[in-house]
Amino acid sequence: GAGVSQSPRYKVAKRGQDVALRCDPISGHVSLFWYQQALGQGPEFLTYFQNEAQLDKSGLPSDRFFAERPEGSVSTLKIQRTQQEDSAVYLCASSLVTGDPTNEKLFFGSGTQLSVL
Amino acid sequence: SQQGEEDPQALSIQEGENATMNCSYKTSINNLQWYRQNSGRGLVHLILIRSNEREKHSGRLRVTLDTSKKSSSLLITASRAADTASYFCATDAPGNNRLAFGKGNQVVVIP
Repeated sequence: GAGVSQSPRYKVAKRGQDVALRCDPISGHVSLFWYQQALGQGPEFLTYFQNEAQLDKSGLPSDRFFAERPEGSVSTLKIQRTQQEDSAVYLCASSLVTGDPTNEKLFFGSGTQLSVL
Repeated sequence: SQQGEEDPQALSIQEGENATMNCSYKTSINNLQWYRQNSGRGLVHLILIRSNEREKHSGRLRVTLDTSKKSSSLLITASRAADTASYFCATDAPGNNRLAFGKGNQVVVIP
């Protein structure tokens, strides 16, 4: 596609519900990142994939958060037993390079706004 | 934790004026990037400056980097209403394959 696509655009969940957020990166992009952005704050790193390999998941806030990218393209961020503090915008970004992904620009999707009631 | 810290946090200017915002960081870096985010949208890359560069231009944007002070500035010249957005600096965290973002500068350009 022309850009990074994320769905759904908005998600409202009841506390305790499981949610799945989808990211479709730019075709051919090797690196994929998930970020969490609280209202009025900058994005916080969650996890990083290079192709299908999850190379860094140190930013995931708890074991309720799980991400996968089984075929090295589409990625899913799953949050189990959602809590109110999970309410945020979840941003996905991709990058073409296979080397140091911070050496090149990231292409971001519009994000999924998650509200946990 | 966030690497970058932008200053000032919010800026309101008249169209045509210049807007300057700053970013400081704590550890050594390989490069520093600036991104723009319009309300309700994702981030858009503006410019990347490497640690061995001191100044870089892109259109109406001018970025400086002072590694001795661990700081960077973004200047937008001849601002337009369409420049209204939040601006974030991001640095690479040493040893990690990630960008660490600051809290952002909110810029409002009044027509």
